[in-house]
Amino acid sequence: KAGVTQTPRYLIKTRGQQVTLSCSPISGHRSVSWYQQTPGQGLQFLFEYFSETQRNKGNFPGRFSGRQFSNSRSEMNVSTLELGDSALYLCASSSDRWEEKLFFGSGTQLSVL
Amino acid sequence: GESVGLHLPTLSVQEGDNSIINCAYSNSASDYFIWYKQESGKGPQFIIDIRSNMDKRQGQRVTVLLNKTVKHLSLQIAATQPGDSAVYFCAENRPTDSWGKLQFGAGTQVVVTP
Repeated sequence: KAGVTQTPRYLIKTRGQQVTLSCSPISGHRSVSWYQQTPGQGLQFLFEYFSETQRNKGNFPGRFSGRQFSNSRSEMNVSTLELGDSALYLCASSSDRWEEKLFFGSGTQLSVL
Repeated sequence: GESVGLHLPTLSVQEGDNSIINCAYSNSASDYFIWYKQESGKGPQFIIDIRSNMDKRQGQRVTVLLNKTVKHLSLQIAATQPGDSAVYFCAENRPTDSWGKLQFGAGTQVVVTP
C-alpha cells in the first residue's frame, strides 16, 4: 500500500503570494490532518478533515485554509504569505473517523522569501 | 535577529547498547500516546502506541512504558543501530482535542555512534 503522498516536495514563494499544497492519503483512509513543523514551534496542528468536512481546527489565522475532496485527497492553502510561514507542512491520514493513529507524508518544505 | 528554536535534547548512544528516551506529558486526561521517529528530510514515522489502560507495550526491538502517576512515557530501543539515529517524538491524544489533533513533544535527537 502506498503511503501518504504530498506534492510538491519543495516550494519557494515570496511574501504576499499564496500557495496550495496537495496531499493524497493512504488508500482507504478518510481522515486527513495537516501540521506545520518549524524549529521554533515544533509540530503544530492546523486542521483535520473527514468526508469533506472540517472537524477540527488549530490556532492558526484565517490565511490558512484547507479542503478535502470526495476521493479523500486534501489541499491546504496559505494566502498572503509571510516570512514566518516558512516551514515543513505535513499531511497525515488515518483510517476512520475514530482512529487516532496518524500516518505522515514526507511533507512540503515551504520557503517564503 | 537571532532566531530562537526549540532546544532538542540529545541522546548519544553507542551502537549495540540500549536507548531510553523519556517524555513527560502534561494532561492527565490524555488516553492515547504514540512514539514517532523522524529522519532528516522525512515525515514522522509511527513506531509504537499505547493506551492509558496499559503500562507497557512491546514491539520489534522497542518497548513503551507508561507511568500515569507521574505522567511519564518512555521508549526503549534494544540493541541500537545506526539506522536508529533520528529525532524521536512522543505525542498524546487528549479527549478534548481528538479528531486528528495530537500534541507533540519537542523531540529528542538520538545519535548512534559506532
